[in-house]
Amino acid sequence: NAGVMQNPRHLVRRRGQEARLRCSPMKGHSHVYWYRQLPEEGLKFMVYLQKENIIDESGMPKERFSAEFPKEGPSILRIQQVVRGDSAAYFCASSQQGEGATEAFFGQGTRLTVV
Amino acid sequence: QQQVKQSPQSLIVQKGGISIINCAYENTAFDYFPWYQQFPGKGPALLIAIRPDVSEKKEGRFTISFNKSAKQFSLHIMDSQPGDSATYFCAANRDDKIIFGKGTRLHILP
Repeated sequence: NAGVMQNPRHLVRRRGQEARLRCSPMKGHSHVYWYRQLPEEGLKFMVYLQKENIIDESGMPKERFSAEFPKEGPSILRIQQVVRGDSAAYFCASSQQGEGATEAFFGQGTRLTVV
Repeated sequence: QQQVKQSPQSLIVQKGGISIINCAYENTAFDYFPWYQQFPGKGPALLIAIRPDVSEKKEGRFTISFNKSAKQFSLHIMDSQPGDSATYFCAANRDDKIIFGKGTRLHILP
């Protein structure tokens, strides 16, 4: 059973470009979470999605950031017109909703560098 | 508003010693308290977790102590080893959202 798969592992973008980060949850998991980790800092919640639904996007910046989790395919975190401050590690986690199933499993992360 | 406060920010422990990391939370609606371990360049991995109806949980050298009335919980690593050197995050779950502490960088001296 493959774990949470994120790609790419490393992404370099010039200021103003778009960044697309992909996350394939573990098999059987229908819930996806995105977190951002700045250097020397903790993990900050961005968005929580179920298939075709955004459940909680309270941690998402109001502009330039969007996320989706379509019926088929991976979850996508999209950052438009990237700026240097967007440079960070972005982690995706997935969980299986059910009785007591509150463990979330993380991917290896995508390290975004904006130059 | 920081919902989960973690301390210390960094910790150095001699090999064989006990590492203790503390967390406090504010929202009594939290119903699950996991600890994650993160090595450099890797994603966080679930280490051990506890529910608020239990005061202590032990798995090998790792123990969570939970004080519901004080809204505090802590991770104890017994017989700490250099391989335990990592960043540790406490967390609290509410409505399927995981709220993390800021992390503790633990370094075990050989």
